[in-house]
Amino acid sequence: DGGITQSPKYLFRKEGQNVTLSCEQNLNHDAMYWYRQDPGQGLRLIYYSQIVNDFQKGDIAEGYSVSREKKESFPLTVTSAQKNPTAFYLCASSIEAPVFLNQPQHFGDGTRLSIL
Amino acid sequence: AQKVTQAQTEISVVEKEDVTLDCVYETRDTTYYLFWYKQPPSGELVFLIRRNSFDEQNEISGRYSWNFQKSTSSFNFTITASQVVDSAVYFCALSDPNTGGFKTIFGAGTRLFVKA
Repeated sequence: DGGITQSPKYLFRKEGQNVTLSCEQNLNHDAMYWYRQDPGQGLRLIYYSQIVNDFQKGDIAEGYSVSREKKESFPLTVTSAQKNPTAFYLCASSIEAPVFLNQPQHFGDGTRLSIL
Repeated sequence: AQKVTQAQTEISVVEKEDVTLDCVYETRDTTYYLFWYKQPPSGELVFLIRRNSFDEQNEISGRYSWNFQKSTSSFNFTITASQVVDSAVYFCALSDPNTGGFKTIFGAGTRLFVKA
């Protein structure tokens, strides 16, 4: 079945360490997104990519980096510059801009990142 | 700037009760889209509905119904005869047209508990 796979489900980071969250989709979608979810704050957009080899910053890009070398993959690196990385991270994809779709975005199951 | 407010942080009801989740939005744009998503305990967001700003018709889908009122900038969601499986966090969201429709602004979410 087509869908979005995020791994790992749980991730622990040591102080000063970079970690990479994986997001893979086999839906043949052009657009992919990374969101951060904190308790009581809803989802905030970190980065999004409309097409391969292109990506744009969202509202809270500082301390994060992404790459989009392949259509199906959009990894997120949480760098040591992100001082408060503990959160739930959700990856999503869509065929094109969500406003044009009856099924705007498909989401993965998320990765929960914690600081050791 | 766009903003979505879900004033109800948590709601608890007994099975078979009707429940309404409130959503108030702010935008200066005349063309915009509103969404509702459900986040069950498993973590992934499940799309429920998309509504554009020119369509104020209420919509009913089974036990779910949505009331869109531009005059009060509200897009409320009602679950009739609630069931335990409805227990989840529900997010209201608004499109940001300045990004070609790729950016979605989420409310903080309302956690619904349905007790048997």
